[in-house]
Amino acid sequence: EDQVTQSPEALRLQEGESSSLNCSYTVSGLRGLFWYRQDPGKGPEFLFTLYSAGEEKEKERLKATLTKKESFLHITAPKPEDSATYLCAVLGTGGFKTIFGAGTRLFVKA
Amino acid sequence: DTAVSQTPKYLVTQMGNDKSIKCEQNLGHDTMYWYKQDSKKFLKIMFSYNNKELIINETVPNRFSPKSPDKAHLNLHINSLELGDSAVYFCASSPVPPLDRQYFGPGTRLLVL
Repeated sequence: EDQVTQSPEALRLQEGESSSLNCSYTVSGLRGLFWYRQDPGKGPEFLFTLYSAGEEKEKERLKATLTKKESFLHITAPKPEDSATYLCAVLGTGGFKTIFGAGTRLFVKA
Repeated sequence: DTAVSQTPKYLVTQMGNDKSIKCEQNLGHDTMYWYKQDSKKFLKIMFSYNNKELIINETVPNRFSPKSPDKAHLNLHINSLELGDSAVYFCASSPVPPLDRQYFGPGTRLLVL
């Protein structure tokens, strides 16, 4: 069965302190891996889609990378406004379902 | 302009009641979804419709019934509400099922007392 595990559950950083969030996945053939950002009380907001191992995508202070078993979301010099829950999701070749992980709650202190 | 909208935003009700949540998208997408997010923040797919046709129907109690009157609307009706139904319900849409990104609504916070 397709599965997504995110770590850590929570991450506290000082402003400017770079770090990475991990998303490990098990899927019967990867069609796509997605990263979303979710602010408290709001719906998830799309960040990136990665389709194959070795692919990388960047947006402002965020960079997503993909291997055959995991994806990393690197945050460079984070700011307090980057505080949110970051969700990873995968879509396998077995069906139409997108499977979400439990997310990493990121807190960035000024 | 709101891309995916849901009503109501908050819903507080008693056990045993029947309630509906409405969702509308103005993006012209063919596919719409209902997700449930529990207290541990897991987002789980419940249903998906592609152009008014049900394509995903997860193991959900049959008290939950989706209805898609047209491809821009997907409603969720819940009969005989139970305490365990308390959660945040998100509607989403995407242009191509499901390879493309999904656009989520703001969520409906359901509390069953």
